[in-house]
Amino acid sequence: NAGVMQNPRHLVRRRGQEARLRCSPMKGHSHVYWYRQLPEEGLKFMVYLQKENIIDESGMPKERFSAEFPKEGPSILRIQQVVRGDSAAYFCASQAVLAVDNYGYTFGSGTRLTVV
Amino acid sequence: KQEVTQIPAALSVPEGENLVLNCSFTDSAIYNLQWFRQDPGKGLTSLLLIQSSQREQTSGRLNASLDKSSGRSTLYIAASQPGDSATYLCAVISGGSNYKLTFGKGTLLTVNP
Repeated sequence: NAGVMQNPRHLVRRRGQEARLRCSPMKGHSHVYWYRQLPEEGLKFMVYLQKENIIDESGMPKERFSAEFPKEGPSILRIQQVVRGDSAAYFCASQAVLAVDNYGYTFGSGTRLTVV
Repeated sequence: KQEVTQIPAALSVPEGENLVLNCSFTDSAIYNLQWFRQDPGKGLTSLLLIQSSQREQTSGRLNASLDKSSGRSTLYIAASQPGDSATYLCAVISGGSNYKLTFGKGTLLTVNP
């Protein structure tokens, strides 16, 4: 089991470009969470997805950010028209079923986005 | 709204010392509490998971305790080593939260040889 895979590990974008971050959950996992870690701040929840459904996007900025988790393929976090304030580390976590009271979460290594 | 606080923000100790990291949370209605380690520029490694019905968990030199009623957890590290240097994060899953984690800002630990 390869664990939670995120790519790219590092991403540099110019202001105004689009950033696409990918997360492949652990095999058999159908629940994906995205978190953002801004410099000097803790990790903050962004969005919770199940296959083909957004369950909770209460932590997502209202504009320029979107997420999907299609039936086939990885979950994608998309940031349009990036600004310098989007520079952060973006982490993905996955779970098989909502048995987190027993198993907790496994995180990927993250994507570090730098906007220049 | 759940809030998680970790004290101290940074800690520097000599090698071999035993140490305690503290975590407090405002809403005691949690499913579990998880301690993570994060090395600079790296991802999160899960260290210990304590379910809401448990009081403590142990793994090697690490021992985590949970007092749900007072909203506190501690991570005890015995005989610290330079390789323990990292940021330690505490996170809780609260009831009715869609199982999302609320993190503290972490404690940056430096163990000096």
